[in-house]
Amino acid sequence: LAKTTQPISMDSYEGQEVNITCSHNNIATNDYITWYQQFPSQGPRFIIQGYKTKVTNEVASLFIPADRKSSTLSLPRVSLSDTAVYYCLVGDIRSGYSTLTFGKGTMLLVSP
Amino acid sequence: NAGVMQNPRHLVRRRGQEARLRCSPMKGHSHVYWYRQLPEEGLKFMVYLQKENIIDESGMPKERFSAEFPKEGPSILRIQQVVRGDSAAYFCASSLTGTDEQFFGPGTRLTVL
Repeated sequence: LAKTTQPISMDSYEGQEVNITCSHNNIATNDYITWYQQFPSQGPRFIIQGYKTKVTNEVASLFIPADRKSSTLSLPRVSLSDTAVYYCLVGDIRSGYSTLTFGKGTMLLVSP
Repeated sequence: NAGVMQNPRHLVRRRGQEARLRCSPMKGHSHVYWYRQLPEEGLKFMVYLQKENIIDESGMPKERFSAEFPKEGPSILRIQQVVRGDSAAYFCASSLTGTDEQFFGPGTRLTVL
């Protein structure tokens, strides 16, 4: 599975847009990029997934450049409740089963 | 529609005892995954099961750990003769097809005294 690198922590204020970038230089052709969110004492929660270009849902947007060696999770107008750890994962979900490999993630702290 | 359920939420064991962690997947899901999260670390894959079958146990320690997912009832992660290093949060996830989104439970926090 491709290794990912993301910042250890980020700080923001309520109402701002937050962009978290993940590097995955060794991403394979069949790998998808998936982001999860984890609150303290809870299990991770799926946010968004993409393969290339841009994906948007009601929670976030995911930007993936043409070379797919990095990706950026964009959270519009964050609130205090967005304080959490965000994990970037890459892997081939079509290989018959998927086993997610989590790094240490990015701890996002949103302040008033 | 109930999500993934795990019990107990907190479990305290003394060294040498056995720990049994239970996971009930989402309704209709037959694919179950177990992960372990050490303090200040990300989740690490342990084992992937379908009903009555272990598909991938490449992340399971070779000794003392076992998992099952019987035809009826929850999936069980069993840790025999626990040691302090087993203290961690253990998360279960389930998916519908095995290649789609994994839904995680709230976790079981195991503390070994």
